[in-house]
Amino acid sequence: QVQLVESGGGVVQPGTSLRLSCAASGFTFSTYAIHWVRRAPGKGLEWVAVISYDGSNKYYADSVKGRFTISRDNSKNTLYLQMNNLRPEDTAVYYCARVAVAATWIDWFDPWGQGTLVSVSS
Amino acid sequence: SYVLTQPPSVSVAPGQTAWISCGGNNIGSKRVHWYQQKPGQAPVLVVYDVSGRPSGIPERFSGSNSRNTATLTISRVEAGDEADYYCQVWDSNGDHPTWVFGGGTELTVL
Repeated sequence: QVQLVESGGGVVQPGTSLRLSCAASGFTFSTYAIHWVRRAPGKGLEWVAVISYDGSNKYYADSVKGRFTISRDNSKNTLYLQMNNLRPEDTAVYYCARVAVAATWIDWFDPWGQGTLVSVSS
Repeated sequence: SYVLTQPPSVSVAPGQTAWISCGGNNIGSKRVHWYQQKPGQAPVLVVYDVSGRPSGIPERFSGSNSRNTATLTISRVEAGDEADYYCQVWDSNGDHPTWVFGGGTELTVL
């Protein structure tokens, strides 16, 4: 079945870097756009970034632009999120979520991974 | 940037109907999607494209949209429906496309 599994979260100090991964299976990874979405403690869902199916287009939320980089390796069925200059407000569970319809990115998110926790604290 | 406004909480007795609103400027012209998130779990799509229902989602979940408010309706509410619910749209009116979530509504089953 379609599955997304995030990894790479952990506890880090402010100003440091972390790279998250999202391993996909059960579908043709190279034909779907994928998003990163996060949920901070006590807060709601926040869209973070998206990458097109072929990696040619990427967009970011203003809160992470210039610090985070989304990328993908279609040969490894894996999505990444490189997070630099981390701040305490980046503390959240990070989810990868596939766009439901192939070759587009305006549609709904389905399915979602289980998430990986990133904690930024000194 | 586009803003979606949801009530922080909604309470309903079992067997009754819950309405969760999602306000946004001219949201009636947008494709609205709804997600359910239970504690410690990933979000799950419950309604797509205003009123579409994914396979496996009970018919009790439905959606509607008009002018400045979209609504998720949960009929015959059960204890297992207790969760946070989020509306979401795609906005292309800024300098770059963005994907926007409402602030979320906590549904409590009394």
